Amino acid sequence: GEDVEQSLFLSVREGDSSVINCTYTDSSSTYLYWYKQEPGAGLQLLTYIFSNMDMKQDQRLTVLLNKKDKHLSLRIADTQTGDSAIYFCAESLYGGATNKLIFGTGTLLAVQP
Amino acid sequence: NAGVTQTPKFRVLKTGQSMTLLCAQDMNHEYMYWYRQDPGMGLRLIHYSVGEGTTAKGEVPDGYNVSRLKKQNFLLGLESAAPSQTSVYFCASRSGLQFFGPGTRLTVL
Repeated sequence: GEDVEQSLFLSVREGDSSVINCTYTDSSSTYLYWYKQEPGAGLQLLTYIFSNMDMKQDQRLTVLLNKKDKHLSLRIADTQTGDSAIYFCAESLYGGATNKLIFGTGTLLAVQP
Repeated sequence: NAGVTQTPKFRVLKTGQSMTLLCAQDMNHEYMYWYRQDPGMGLRLIHYSVGEGTTAKGEVPDGYNVSRLKKQNFLLGLESAAPSQTSVYFCASRSGLQFFGPGTRLTVL
């Protein structure tokens, strides 16, 4: 079945690194995404990784993918108070005409000054 | 490019009333989606469309209808609103990557 799981909450101090974890179940996933949602706002695409990659780095963001364990992580270096938000992991499934995303429940990142 | 836009931003309905949420995208994307977001449940897919004139059911389609008469627009209708449909509704469109609208906050009393 299709399922994406994330821990609900993470608290870090400003300047520390944050690591948000995600596990997924469908091995046919082609792309995996991280979205950021600030309070009262929509979902902003942060970064994504193709399933044949192990790592992708984009400025302060590092995505690690362990396809064997179906584990995805997002590392935010030098976390700032502006990084406080809910972070959603999502997997993209290609099957028939669906091309839909399956989302995790989101991880609330709280950054303490 | 405005990207994905949604109207209205907020709405309060009484039980049994009907309404239509409009989603528009100017990126010429084929695929469009309607999700609802509820606390602790992430985003759940209501309906989606793979092109103009086509629609299909998602995970939680009951109580909703959709239409895609024009490629750039995807409408979500509630024929008889229920309190269980109180939620934040997000529209999205994609070519490769999926982009989201800002959301519509709907309260059904």
